[in-house]
Amino acid sequence: KQEVTQIPAALSVPEGENLVLNCSFTDSAIYNLQWFRQDPGKGLTSLLLIQSSQREQTSGRLNASLDKSSGRSTLYIAASQPGDSATYLCAVAVSNDYKLSFGAGTTVTVRA
Amino acid sequence: NAGVTQTPKFQVLKTGQSMTLQCAQDMNHEYMSWYRQDPGMGLRLIHYSVGAGITDQGEVPNGYNVSRSTTEDFPLRLLSAAPSQTSVYFCASSGTYNEQFFGPGTRLTVL
Repeated sequence: KQEVTQIPAALSVPEGENLVLNCSFTDSAIYNLQWFRQDPGKGLTSLLLIQSSQREQTSGRLNASLDKSSGRSTLYIAASQPGDSATYLCAVAVSNDYKLSFGAGTTVTVRA
Repeated sequence: NAGVTQTPKFQVLKTGQSMTLQCAQDMNHEYMSWYRQDPGMGLRLIHYSVGAGITDQGEVPNGYNVSRSTTEDFPLRLLSAAPSQTSVYFCASSGTYNEQFFGPGTRLTVL
């Protein structure tokens, strides 16, 4: 069974600092990996999707890398802003059967 | 495009009552799924469907039923609610390259 871990569980940084969020998974034979953002009391918003053949994906200030051999993905958020405060979830699909295994998330607070 | 919609947003049930959580998507996605989110446990897959007429169990299916008569709709039925089913329920649909899109959630409390 695929186990997905996100460490740390919570992170607090001053505005302007770069954020580094980690995700590790136990089975390297993944189909893809997706990063989501969740605001309190809200649903999940897809941030980035990395296919197994890709090493990274970028969208604006966000960059996600994937290293299948070591079972890791990292989400970088450049020049953090208070609006980046949220919980970030990592989810892994082990095959093309659409089932996702989620990490418990990292809750980020960006202090103004 | 409304994306993935869920109703109701909030629901309180008494133990033993039944109800249906509604989910609809307007993106013509074949794949739809239901997850529950509990504090400290992440999201867990309840049931999923790869197309109209086809459903299967996920990680935590007990106490829940699903059916998929149309591409757009994927309702989740609680047969006899229990306090252990107090949770936030999310519906998701998947399109190109298996990117998944989530609804806003239904917050369910079972007393």
